[in-house]
Amino acid sequence: QSALTQPASVSGSPGQSITISCTGTSSDVGGYNYVSWYQQHPGKAPKLMIYEVSNRPSGVPDRFSGSKSGNTASLTISGLQAEDEADYYCSSYTSSSTLEVFGGGTKLTVL
Amino acid sequence: QVQLVQSGAEVKKPGASVKVSCKASGYTFTSYGISWVRQAPGQGLEWMGWISAYNGNTNYAQKLQGRVTMTTDTSTSTAYMELRSLRSDDTAVYYCARYSSSSDYWGQGTLVTVSS
Repeated sequence: QSALTQPASVSGSPGQSITISCTGTSSDVGGYNYVSWYQQHPGKAPKLMIYEVSNRPSGVPDRFSGSKSGNTASLTISGLQAEDEADYYCSSYTSSSTLEVFGGGTKLTVL
Repeated sequence: QVQLVQSGAEVKKPGASVKVSCKASGYTFTSYGISWVRQAPGQGLEWMGWISAYNGNTNYAQKLQGRVTMTTDTSTSTAYMELRSLRSDDTAVYYCARYSSSSDYWGQGTLVTVSS
């Protein structure tokens, strides 16, 4: 069982917006502003989409945004495009002996 | 440009060890850490640990403590991850990534298959 909880799947139509949640505890998501989001297409390495809760690396479209409230972080994708169909993982710094923990992943389907 | 290039696929028998390399280029190696993440077939990402390329400090996932060792060679800008006493459930793709507050650049992955 993953330390962070994500929905197994979400879906949306092209042009719509979707939000993926990532729920942890005060020892990880709620306690630190070190939440990251990764996109992974089948057979490919993960790609960093959001770091430190809401920052986008260079080259990531501004359709991707991140936020946090309490122990839950969220990734919002607006103006869905076909190429956004992928698995998405959140991760967070944790005060436990393990430096970082991942969520179980969410499969995004663009209808 | 930042690149991390990993060693090739490995097939190991249960009880053996594997050592995966990760050669970095395009940035100052000692200014960042290296994280290691694995992904079993059809499963999610699993954090394995981190090493500082600056001073060699490490932090390992609790479930791997005692079986994993991460090292770096600053002369060649290469990181290594050794996993011992391999079991069938260690079969996975192993990734290295450049790490500061997140894993921002990733290697291509190394498939390690554990099978008798």
